[in-house]
Amino acid sequence: NAGVTQTPKFRILKIGQSMTLQCTQDMNHNYMYWYRQDPGMGLKLIYYSVGAGITDKGEVPNGYNVSRSTTEDFPLRLELAAPSQTSVYFCASGTTEAFFGQGTRLTVV
Amino acid sequence: AQSVAQPEDQVNVAEGNPLTVKCTYSVSGNPYLFWYVQYPNRGLQFLLKYITGDNLVKGSYGFEAEFNKSQTSFHLKKPSALVSDSALYFCAVRGSDYKLSFGAGTTVTVRA
Repeated sequence: NAGVTQTPKFRILKIGQSMTLQCTQDMNHNYMYWYRQDPGMGLKLIYYSVGAGITDKGEVPNGYNVSRSTTEDFPLRLELAAPSQTSVYFCASGTTEAFFGQGTRLTVV
Repeated sequence: AQSVAQPEDQVNVAEGNPLTVKCTYSVSGNPYLFWYVQYPNRGLQFLLKYITGDNLVKGSYGFEAEFNKSQTSFHLKKPSALVSDSALYFCAVRGSDYKLSFGAGTTVTVRA
């Protein structure tokens, strides 16, 4: 009954460091999404994927990269972390409605 | 480009009174519309969706929503609000390119 699993749950990065946020789903969903949620704000779409090997930019893709080599996994890569990337990151998957992970709280200092 | 507007940042109601959270959208093609709820420090939980068919859709926890194509609206309603309904509510739309876009959210506070 795992659903959408995100790791890590929390992370502190120094400016200029890089990291990968992991997202995996066990529901065989084609569509997967990455969002960021800043305090008191809505969700901004970073990248999304409609199937393995296919990714596309959302509203705020700058500073991020993704890959989708399998149906299950959709990792989000941050290169050269900046304070502006401090946020809560959510991964989601679905066929019609999306199911969300519990989020990764990232702080860049 | 598709978009979702939630015109009210906050909605305050007394317990037992009707609750309405407003949403309008803009999208190419036929919309897939959704409502989600978020409790503090949690992910988003799906409440209900409109894909096709009846304009009034029913979802979890007694919530329902009415799709109005001419007004491009999808308002969330609950006939009798509970204190436990206090949370952050998001409307979302998915267009023909499968991109799923969210509104800014509406904070609902139900007072006892």
